[in-house]
Parts: sequence; C-alpha cells; structure tokens
Amino acid sequence: EAGVVQSPRYKIIEKKQPVAFWCNPISGHNTLYWYLQNLGQGPELLIRYENEEAVDDSQLPKDRFSAERLKGVDSTLKIQPAELGDSAVYLCASSLGGGNTEAFFGQGTRLTVV
Amino acid sequence: KQEVTQIPAALSVPEGENLVLNCSFTDSAIYNLQWFRQDPGKGLTSLLLIQSSQREQTSGRLNASLDKSSGRSTLYIAASQPGDSATYLCAVHGDMRFGAGTRLTVKP
Repeated sequence: EAGVVQSPRYKIIEKKQPVAFWCNPISGHNTLYWYLQNLGQGPELLIRYENEEAVDDSQLPKDRFSAERLKGVDSTLKIQPAELGDSAVYLCASSLGGGNTEAFFGQGTRLTVV
Repeated sequence: KQEVTQIPAALSVPEGENLVLNCSFTDSAIYNLQWFRQDPGKGLTSLLLIQSSQREQTSGRLNASLDKSSGRSTLYIAASQPGDSATYLCAVHGDMRFGAGTRLTVKP
C-alpha cells in the first residue's frame, strides 16, 4: 500500500515568487494535515482537513498561504509571495478520520527561498 | 491551547543501555498520543499510538505509557542500538500538537 506522497521533494525559489506543494494521502484517509517544520523543531500545524472541509486553519498565515483539498482527496498548499522566512520543510500527513487516529507522514518538501 | 514539552532535548547513550524519553502536555483532555521517529532529512515514522483509554502500548523493544491525569507520556527503549539514533517526537491527538523532540544518539 502506498504511503503519503508529496511532491516536489525539494524546491528552491527566489523571494516574492509563488510556490505550490502537492500531497496525495493514503487511500481512504479522510483527514489530511499540512505541517511546517523548522530545523531542530517539532512540526507546527498549518491546516487540517476533514474530507473537503478545513476544520482547523487557525495557524495558517492567510495573507500569503492558501490550501485546497478539492474532492476530499489530494491537496495543494500554496505560498504567494514567498519570503525568506518561509524556508522550511513542509510535511503532509493523513489519518483515517476524526483527527483522532494514527497519522502517517509523507517525506516532506524542503523549501529554500533565496 | 495545548502545550507539549519533551525532555531531554538531546540524549547520548552507549549501545545496550535502556532509556526513557519524556513527553508532557498541559491539557489532559486528549484523545490519543502518538510517538514518532524522524531520521535526518526524512519524514516522520509512526512508532506507537496510545489510545486515551490505554495506559501503555508495546512494539518490540519500545514501550510507551500514558498518564493523562499527570499529563505525561514516556517512551521506553530497551537494549538501545546505534540504529535507534534519530529524533523522537510525541504528538497529542485532538489537535495534533507536537513537542520539539528528543535527539537520541546511541554510540557503538
């Protein structure tokens, strides 16, 4: 069974440019999470979806970040425009549902903004 | 807002030693607690999930305990091996908050 798939694995962009990350969760998983992880720190939740609905986006910087999960399957996280401080690893995770079951993570996308 | 703390931040032990990693949380109204391992440059690998009604969960050399009333969980690793070297993270379900992790080094 395929795990959580993220692409790209690495991305280097200039500041003020847009960037998008893609996540395909485990088949049948209704809950999808996007996290940001800075070096030496734990992941920080950006947004959580239950199917198509964003049920927790309180930590998402909405002035420049946006996310969507059309049809309740794969999801895209976008940053526009990117800033130097956005350099980090962006992780996607999924779980069966309810937000209270075992979560599985993808390999992440390492973003470098120069 | 749930706050999750992991102590120690880093730990170095000789091979074969038994060790305990700690995770504490401020809000005891949690659902489940999950322990992860993260190798450098990689995503997180799930190790153990403890349901809120359970007190402990075991997988091989790993044993995780949960005490909701005191807001604590521990991960016990028996007979540590160099391959156990990684960062260990705990996450509190409900809103999936993470601690900063414990970076473990097991020396041959």
